[in-house]
Amino acid sequence: DQQVKQNSPSLSVQEGRISILNCDYTNSMFDYFLWYKKYPAEGPTFLISISSIKDKNEDGRFTVFLNKSAKHLSLHIVPSQPGDSAVYFCAASARSRMDKLVFGAGTILRVKS
Amino acid sequence: EAGVAQSPRYKIIEKRQSVAFWCNPISGHATLYWYQQILGQGPKLLIQFQNNGVVDDSQLPKDRFSAERLKGVDSTLKIQPAKLEDSAVYLCASSLATFGTSGNNEQFFGPGTRLTVL
Repeated sequence: DQQVKQNSPSLSVQEGRISILNCDYTNSMFDYFLWYKKYPAEGPTFLISISSIKDKNEDGRFTVFLNKSAKHLSLHIVPSQPGDSAVYFCAASARSRMDKLVFGAGTILRVKS
Repeated sequence: EAGVAQSPRYKIIEKRQSVAFWCNPISGHATLYWYQQILGQGPKLLIQFQNNGVVDDSQLPKDRFSAERLKGVDSTLKIQPAKLEDSAVYLCASSLATFGTSGNNEQFFGPGTRLTVL
């Protein structure tokens, strides 16, 4: 049972344009959402998070949007840079349930220069 | 600040053999996690420790996997005997927050150990 789904295995974007990565979840108990970025041969690194009490969180070029009614979140990267090329994982947790993170399968982002 | 350390980085074994992975979390981090990441999938939590106690091991295949965190610092994950389907990257992560608190749950990951079972 995939509780967190990233339906796009890969995304290719031109440098300077917007990258939009999507994530859907099914568990209504999830109330905290994170995005992690992973380069080859490295562990995932935390990028940005959002609590369910918000619908938007912004950090520099990265913005996460949360639509609770649709159980959908997205990560926007503007402008995209070649160094953003990596695998992006969406993760969710129900903080009342021991903070366990449930990850999606990831989306490979390629930013072309 | 030193990150999460893991060793070895790569391991190749034959099925039915045993293997152990080691993790040293960030100093002062109370919570330690072991994840299994199979190719093409996201990380899946195997076990979560708070200090030296187990918080969640519901997805740990206990017939062959074991883990311990002695003295609430370093941790080892063992597989005995290994199966072909255990081929994966094993990630260790740590976080400052403790179970039941509303603090920042940011988890810091190590580079992982890539296990290949032949």
